[in-house]
Amino acid sequence: AQRVTQPEKLLSVFKGAPVELKCNYSYSGSPELFWYVQYSRQRLQLLLRHISRESIKGFTADLNKGETSFHLKKPFAQEEDSAMYYCALTDSGGYQKVTFGTGTKLQVIP
Amino acid sequence: DGGITQSPKYLFRKEGQNVTLSCEQNLNHDAMYWYRQDPGQGLRLIYYSQIVNDFQKGDIAEGYSVSREKKESFPLTVTSAQKNPTAFYLCASKPPGQALGELFFGEGSRLTVL
Repeated sequence: AQRVTQPEKLLSVFKGAPVELKCNYSYSGSPELFWYVQYSRQRLQLLLRHISRESIKGFTADLNKGETSFHLKKPFAQEEDSAMYYCALTDSGGYQKVTFGTGTKLQVIP
Repeated sequence: DGGITQSPKYLFRKEGQNVTLSCEQNLNHDAMYWYRQDPGQGLRLIYYSQIVNDFQKGDIAEGYSVSREKKESFPLTVTSAQKNPTAFYLCASKPPGQALGELFFGEGSRLTVL
Protein backbone atom coordinates (compact mmCIF):
# COMPACT_ATOMS: atom_id res chain seq x y z
CA ALA A 1 0.00 0.00 0.00
CA GLN A 2 1.16 3.50 -0.71
CA ARG A 3 1.72 5.83 2.19
CA VAL A 4 2.91 9.38 2.70
CA THR A 5 4.34 10.56 6.00
CA GLN A 6 4.79 14.15 7.07
CA PRO A 7 6.31 13.94 10.54
CA GLU A 8 5.79 17.55 11.56
CA LYS A 9 2.33 18.92 12.27
CA LEU A 10 3.68 22.43 12.81
CA LEU A 11 6.86 24.10 11.69
CA SER A 12 7.64 27.60 12.92
CA VAL A 13 10.48 29.58 11.39
CA PHE A 14 11.51 33.21 11.41
CA LYS A 15 11.23 35.33 8.31
CA GLY A 16 14.36 34.98 6.23
CA ALA A 17 15.29 31.61 7.73
CA PRO A 18 15.52 28.46 5.60
CA VAL A 19 12.54 26.14 5.42
CA GLU A 20 12.44 22.37 5.02
CA LEU A 21 9.14 20.53 5.14
CA LYS A 22 9.71 16.81 5.37
CA CYS A 23 7.91 14.15 3.35
CA ASN A 24 8.66 10.44 3.28
CA TYR A 25 6.79 7.87 1.27
CA SER A 26 6.39 4.16 0.86
CA TYR A 27 5.49 2.76 -2.51
CA SER A 28 6.47 -0.40 -4.31
CA GLY A 29 6.50 1.01 -7.82
CA SER A 30 7.79 4.14 -9.46
CA PRO A 31 6.22 7.08 -7.63
CA GLU A 32 5.13 10.47 -8.77
CA LEU A 33 5.19 13.03 -5.98
CA PHE A 34 3.67 16.45 -5.53
CA TRP A 35 3.37 19.25 -3.01
CA TYR A 36 0.07 21.02 -2.44
CA VAL A 37 -0.51 24.22 -0.48
CA GLN A 38 -3.58 25.60 1.23
CA TYR A 39 -3.45 29.26 2.21
CA SER A 40 -5.92 30.60 4.73
CA ARG A 41 -9.45 30.71 3.26
CA GLN A 42 -8.26 29.48 -0.13
CA ARG A 43 -8.60 26.24 -2.02
CA LEU A 44 -6.04 23.53 -1.87
CA GLN A 45 -3.80 23.98 -4.90
CA LEU A 46 -0.87 22.31 -6.54
CA LEU A 47 2.48 23.88 -5.66
CA LEU A 48 4.95 21.74 -7.54
CA ARG A 49 5.62 18.27 -8.93
CA HIS A 50 8.81 16.29 -8.92
CA ILE A 51 8.73 15.38 -12.61
CA SER A 52 9.08 18.97 -13.72
CA ARG A 53 11.95 19.79 -11.36
CA GLU A 54 10.66 23.32 -11.13
CA SER A 55 10.93 26.09 -8.56
CA ILE A 56 7.67 27.71 -7.60
CA LYS A 57 7.57 30.76 -5.30
CA GLY A 58 11.15 29.93 -4.37
CA PHE A 59 10.29 26.38 -3.26
CA THR A 60 12.03 23.31 -4.62
CA ALA A 61 11.75 19.61 -3.89
CA ASP A 62 13.99 16.77 -4.95
CA LEU A 63 12.89 13.18 -5.09
CA ASN A 64 15.38 10.95 -3.28
CA LYS A 65 14.48 7.39 -4.11
CA GLY A 66 17.19 5.96 -1.88
CA GLU A 67 15.79 7.69 1.18
CA THR A 68 12.20 7.61 -0.16
CA SER A 69 11.88 11.29 0.56
CA PHE A 70 10.54 14.39 -1.18
CA HIS A 71 11.31 17.26 1.15
CA LEU A 72 10.16 20.78 0.29
CA LYS A 73 12.78 23.49 0.70
CA LYS A 74 13.07 27.24 0.49
CA PRO A 75 16.21 29.17 1.36
CA PHE A 76 14.52 32.26 2.81
CA ALA A 77 11.03 32.08 4.31
CA GLN A 78 8.54 34.88 3.72
CA GLU A 79 5.45 35.71 5.75
CA GLU A 80 3.19 34.87 2.81
CA ASP A 81 4.51 31.31 2.88
CA SER A 82 2.48 30.64 6.02
CA ALA A 83 0.03 27.90 5.05
CA MET A 84 -0.75 24.19 5.24
CA TYR A 85 1.44 22.06 3.04
CA TYR A 86 0.54 18.57 1.89
CA CYS A 87 2.76 16.03 0.20
CA ALA A 88 0.99 13.68 -2.23
CA LEU A 89 1.81 10.46 -4.04
CA THR A 90 0.22 8.81 -7.04
CA ASP A 91 0.30 5.24 -8.23
CA SER A 92 0.47 4.00 -11.78
CA GLY A 93 -2.02 1.19 -11.48
CA GLY A 94 -5.13 0.72 -13.52
CA TYR A 95 -7.17 2.93 -11.20
CA GLN A 96 -5.05 5.80 -10.08
CA LYS A 97 -5.24 6.95 -6.51
CA VAL A 98 -3.78 10.11 -5.09
CA THR A 99 -2.66 9.69 -1.50
CA PHE A 100 -1.96 12.68 0.72
CA GLY A 101 0.08 13.05 3.86
CA THR A 102 -1.33 14.51 7.06
CA GLY A 103 0.01 17.96 6.30
CA THR A 104 2.40 20.39 7.93
CA LYS A 105 1.40 23.85 9.00
CA LEU A 106 4.15 26.33 8.24
CA GLN A 107 4.17 29.43 10.40
CA VAL A 108 6.56 32.18 9.40
CA ILE A 109 7.22 34.54 12.28
CA PRO A 110 7.83 38.17 11.29
CA ASP B 1 -16.43 30.93 -14.94
CA GLY B 2 -14.90 27.46 -15.07
CA GLY B 3 -14.13 25.42 -12.02
CA ILE B 4 -15.36 22.99 -9.42
CA THR B 5 -18.38 23.91 -7.37
CA GLN B 6 -19.31 22.19 -4.14
CA SER B 7 -22.59 22.75 -2.37
CA PRO B 8 -23.68 23.40 0.22
CA LYS B 9 -20.73 25.04 1.94
CA TYR B 10 -22.20 24.33 5.36
CA LEU B 11 -24.64 21.58 6.27
CA PHE B 12 -26.13 20.42 9.53
CA ARG B 13 -27.64 16.99 9.91
CA LYS B 14 -29.32 15.07 12.64
CA GLU B 15 -28.00 11.64 13.54
CA GLY B 16 -29.58 8.91 11.48
CA GLN B 17 -30.16 11.05 8.41
CA ASN B 18 -28.51 10.64 5.05
CA VAL B 19 -27.13 13.73 3.35
CA THR B 20 -25.84 14.31 -0.17
CA LEU B 21 -23.02 16.69 -1.01
CA SER B 22 -22.90 18.06 -4.52
CA CYS B 23 -19.81 18.39 -6.69
CA GLU B 24 -20.07 19.85 -10.19
CA GLN B 25 -17.31 20.73 -12.62
CA ASN B 26 -17.40 22.39 -16.02
CA LEU B 27 -13.75 21.74 -16.80
CA ASN B 28 -14.41 18.66 -18.94
CA HIS B 29 -12.32 16.56 -16.57
CA ASP B 30 -12.77 12.80 -16.61
CA ALA B 31 -11.46 11.93 -13.17
CA MET B 32 -13.11 13.12 -9.97
CA TYR B 33 -12.33 12.49 -6.31
CA TRP B 34 -13.82 12.89 -2.86
CA TYR B 35 -11.61 13.48 0.16
CA ARG B 36 -12.32 13.98 3.81
CA GLN B 37 -10.17 16.48 5.67
CA ASP B 38 -9.84 16.21 9.44
CA PRO B 39 -7.43 18.13 11.68
CA GLY B 40 -4.24 16.16 12.19
CA GLN B 41 -5.26 13.50 9.66
CA GLY B 42 -4.84 15.36 6.43
CA LEU B 43 -6.82 14.30 3.39
CA ARG B 44 -8.18 10.80 3.20
CA LEU B 45 -9.63 9.40 -0.01
CA ILE B 46 -13.25 8.31 0.13
CA TYR B 47 -14.13 7.49 -3.48
CA TYR B 48 -12.79 8.26 -6.91
CA SER B 49 -14.05 7.94 -10.45
CA GLN B 50 -11.99 7.81 -13.63
CA ILE B 51 -14.90 7.82 -16.07
CA VAL B 52 -18.66 8.08 -16.18
CA ASN B 53 -20.54 5.14 -14.66
CA ASP B 54 -17.44 3.84 -12.93
CA PHE B 55 -16.01 4.54 -9.48
CA GLN B 56 -13.70 2.95 -6.97
CA LYS B 57 -13.56 2.87 -3.19
CA GLY B 58 -10.82 4.84 -1.56
CA ASP B 59 -9.29 4.26 1.85
CA ILE B 60 -12.32 5.21 3.96
CA ALA B 61 -15.38 4.37 1.84
CA GLU B 62 -17.44 2.76 4.61
CA GLY B 63 -20.60 4.73 5.30
CA TYR B 64 -20.39 6.67 2.03
CA SER B 65 -21.81 6.18 -1.43
CA VAL B 66 -21.33 7.94 -4.77
CA SER B 67 -22.68 7.97 -8.31
CA ARG B 68 -21.21 9.15 -11.59
CA GLU B 69 -24.07 9.37 -14.06
CA LYS B 70 -22.70 12.46 -15.75
CA LYS B 71 -19.19 13.58 -16.47
CA GLU B 72 -19.80 16.90 -14.74
CA SER B 73 -21.25 15.57 -11.52
CA PHE B 74 -19.96 13.34 -8.71
CA PRO B 75 -22.29 13.57 -5.69
CA LEU B 76 -21.33 12.05 -2.35
CA THR B 77 -23.91 10.65 0.04
CA VAL B 78 -23.00 10.42 3.69
CA THR B 79 -25.19 7.70 5.09
CA SER B 80 -26.32 7.04 8.62
CA ALA B 81 -23.83 4.17 8.69
CA GLN B 82 -20.93 6.61 8.78
CA LYS B 83 -19.96 6.65 12.44
CA ASN B 84 -18.18 9.97 12.53
CA PRO B 85 -19.47 12.09 9.66
CA THR B 86 -18.68 15.54 11.02
CA ALA B 87 -15.84 16.72 8.80
CA PHE B 88 -14.76 18.93 5.95
CA TYR B 89 -15.29 17.29 2.55
CA LEU B 90 -13.29 18.17 -0.53
CA CYS B 91 -14.06 17.31 -4.13
CA ALA B 92 -11.39 17.36 -6.81
CA SER B 93 -11.00 16.65 -10.49
CA LYS B 94 -8.09 15.96 -12.80
CA PRO B 95 -7.57 17.21 -16.34
CA PRO B 96 -7.11 14.57 -19.04
CA GLY B 97 -3.54 14.01 -20.05
CA GLN B 98 -2.10 15.62 -16.95
CA ALA B 99 0.07 13.86 -14.43
CA LEU B 100 -1.97 11.79 -12.06
CA GLY B 101 -1.40 13.96 -9.03
CA GLU B 102 -2.41 17.28 -10.54
CA LEU B 103 -5.81 17.83 -8.99
CA PHE B 104 -8.11 20.82 -8.99
CA PHE B 105 -10.05 21.23 -5.77
CA GLY B 106 -13.39 22.72 -4.83
CA GLU B 107 -13.89 25.01 -1.86
CA GLY B 108 -15.23 22.24 0.29
CA SER B 109 -18.37 21.41 2.27
CA ARG B 110 -18.42 21.36 6.05
CA LEU B 111 -20.83 18.81 7.48
CA THR B 112 -21.82 18.92 11.12
CA VAL B 113 -23.89 16.18 12.69
CA LEU B 114 -25.91 17.32 15.67
